[in-house]
Amino acid sequence: GAVVSQHPSWVICKSGTSVKIECRSLDFQATTMFWYRQFPKQSLMLMATSNEGSKATYEQGVEKDKFLINHASLTLSTLTVTSAHPEDSSFYICSASSHYEQYFGPGTRLTVT
Amino acid sequence: AQSVAQPEDQVNVAEGNPLTVKCTYSVSGNPYLFWYVQYPNRGLQFLLKYITGDNLVKGSYGFEAEFNKSQTSFHLKKPSALVSDSALYFCAVRVSRSSNTGKLIFGQGTTLQVKP
Repeated sequence: GAVVSQHPSWVICKSGTSVKIECRSLDFQATTMFWYRQFPKQSLMLMATSNEGSKATYEQGVEKDKFLINHASLTLSTLTVTSAHPEDSSFYICSASSHYEQYFGPGTRLTVT
Repeated sequence: AQSVAQPEDQVNVAEGNPLTVKCTYSVSGNPYLFWYVQYPNRGLQFLLKYITGDNLVKGSYGFEAEFNKSQTSFHLKKPSALVSDSALYFCAVRVSRSSNTGKLIFGQGTTLQVKP
């Protein structure tokens, strides 16, 4: 139980385009999901907290207009990287909260060329 | 401010030997503490957690951790390391104990290298 999926697992896009990453809780409902960013060999940096049916809460320094988060249902949150640039290349990981624990997705590798 | 520290970037151990990955924390009040493991290009896998009760917590894959309130530590241990344990390990503390949706603060991560 408590499985979280992400799609796609990896994506390559051209600079200036937008990319959408999906995070799904497969066997439980999650009112809250989290989006993290991770650089190679580094820790996870929390980008935002996604709440079903309301606006996401962004961490300080994260551009909300660049990283659009939508949590339309209890099992799906999406992160859209708008007008992507090479510096947005990173590993993006989502997690879904249930019963005081967080369950992590497998991550999405984004490469912007 | 709440924080988690993993003082070692890398820990090297021979297969069959015991291993310890260190973690210290700074929180207000009593903490919820977690250990996760990450394999290359993968998400995080939950190993174990401390909420309350027995200071020695047993988790997945033979790992355990000891909560030490006086030293504000939560070190991860395993009696006999396997080569397959080689991975990146993260210690984390939950910010809000009262909320179901409290965010996690992660340590910097420690790379465990187990050599045959």
